[in-house]
Amino acid sequence: EAGVTQFPSHSVIEKGQTVTLRCDPISGHDNLYWYRRVMGKEIKFLLHFVKESKQDESGMPNNRFLAERTGGTYSTLKVQPAELEDSGVYFCASSQRQGPTDTQYFGPGTRLTVL
Amino acid sequence: QKEVEQDPGPLSVPEGAIVSLNCTYSNSAFQYFMWYRQYSRKGPELLMYTYSSGNKEDGRFTAQVDKSSKYISLFIRDSQPSDSATYLCAMRAGGTSYGKLTFGQGTILTVHP
Repeated sequence: EAGVTQFPSHSVIEKGQTVTLRCDPISGHDNLYWYRRVMGKEIKFLLHFVKESKQDESGMPNNRFLAERTGGTYSTLKVQPAELEDSGVYFCASSQRQGPTDTQYFGPGTRLTVL
Repeated sequence: QKEVEQDPGPLSVPEGAIVSLNCTYSNSAFQYFMWYRQYSRKGPELLMYTYSSGNKEDGRFTAQVDKSSKYISLFIRDSQPSDSATYLCAMRAGGTSYGKLTFGQGTILTVHP
């Protein structure tokens, strides 16, 4: 079974540009999460989809970030316009809806560098 | 104040040593506790999962939760060089069976031969 995949693995852009990150969850997983780790800090939650609906977007830093999950399959996270402080590693995770032992499986992350 | 505190280390131990990793938390709503392991340039991988106070053992790994003290630990026995990684504690509030995780900063562990 394929794991969570993310594309691209690394992106370098200039301040003010737009970047779109993609996440393909494990097949059949209804839950999809985005997290971010900026240098020297802990991994922080951004938002949570259940199928195509946003369940919790309390971690989204501002309106420059837009997440979508059309059709309840893959998800994209767009940053427009990018700022220097957006640099970091963006992780996607997915899980099934199954009781207290619901396990989130993480992708390898997209390393974003904003110059 | 951070909701979850974890000493980032780094921690360096000889092969065969017992490793103790710890996190404290301030949010009483946290009911589910996890330890993830992350190798360089990879995503976090679930290692242990507990949702009650006490100990849970899995091979060389033991997870310990003390809700009264808001303190969790991970012990690694007979540590191996392949255990060298970043260890992240993560927690989730109760009330639903899924939802956002709150992470500690992670402890960088190196086990040298």
